[in-house]
Amino acid sequence: GAVVSQHPSRVICKSGTSVKIECRSLDFQATTMFWYRQFPKQSLMLMATSNEGSKATYEQGVEKDKFLINHASLTLSTLTVTSAHPEDSSFYICSALDRGLINYGYTFGSGTRLTVV
Amino acid sequence: AQSVTQPDIHITVSEGASLELRCNYSYGATPYLFWYVQSPGQGLQLLLKYFSGDTLVQGIKGFEAEFKRSQSSFNLRKPSVHWSDAAEYFCAVGGRSGGGADGLTFGKGTHLIIQP
Repeated sequence: GAVVSQHPSRVICKSGTSVKIECRSLDFQATTMFWYRQFPKQSLMLMATSNEGSKATYEQGVEKDKFLINHASLTLSTLTVTSAHPEDSSFYICSALDRGLINYGYTFGSGTRLTVV
Repeated sequence: AQSVTQPDIHITVSEGASLELRCNYSYGATPYLFWYVQSPGQGLQLLLKYFSGDTLVQGIKGFEAEFKRSQSSFNLRKPSVHWSDAAEYFCAVGGRSGGGADGLTFGKGTHLIIQP
């Protein structure tokens, strides 16, 4: 089945630095990927929709200058948390859309635990 | 705007007993409905999905769900739970709009506890 690889699984960074998270679709081409954020014991909140070759679409309230998304190829989307602060600490999960006729659906990465100290 | 309601935050079930997790949704177009399971610190695993056709959907690990349009519900069921089913369960709704695909809107989740 469809596999999405997300790296790193955990990262600790100092306040003010930037962190890049990668999301790769391993066995299908994903023209559309999504980034979610999950706070402890809470649900997933959609942050942005990433379309290959175009600018990402951000949900209301998500700072596009803080959460930079790049989707330069059909198998890779990256999320860069810029000038990270402790309140950015969270669990970030990506999802890739498989538009195949048989496998149409959303496959999720295993998530990245970001801790900003 | 779309929304998903999972009215039960926690459910405790004895091992071997049946399970039903409730999910109600609101979506302006034809919904795509999903159930995912998440273990602590992990990503999401798809249990089953509904796009169209037969309203009773079979998934992995013995789970099934029934789409009821009149009730805007997509409840998840399992006839006999196992201790390994203890996890967080999320119902989600998505779909297609304007030729694109929407990101998923998730419910708040139901934490399933299995009693021995």
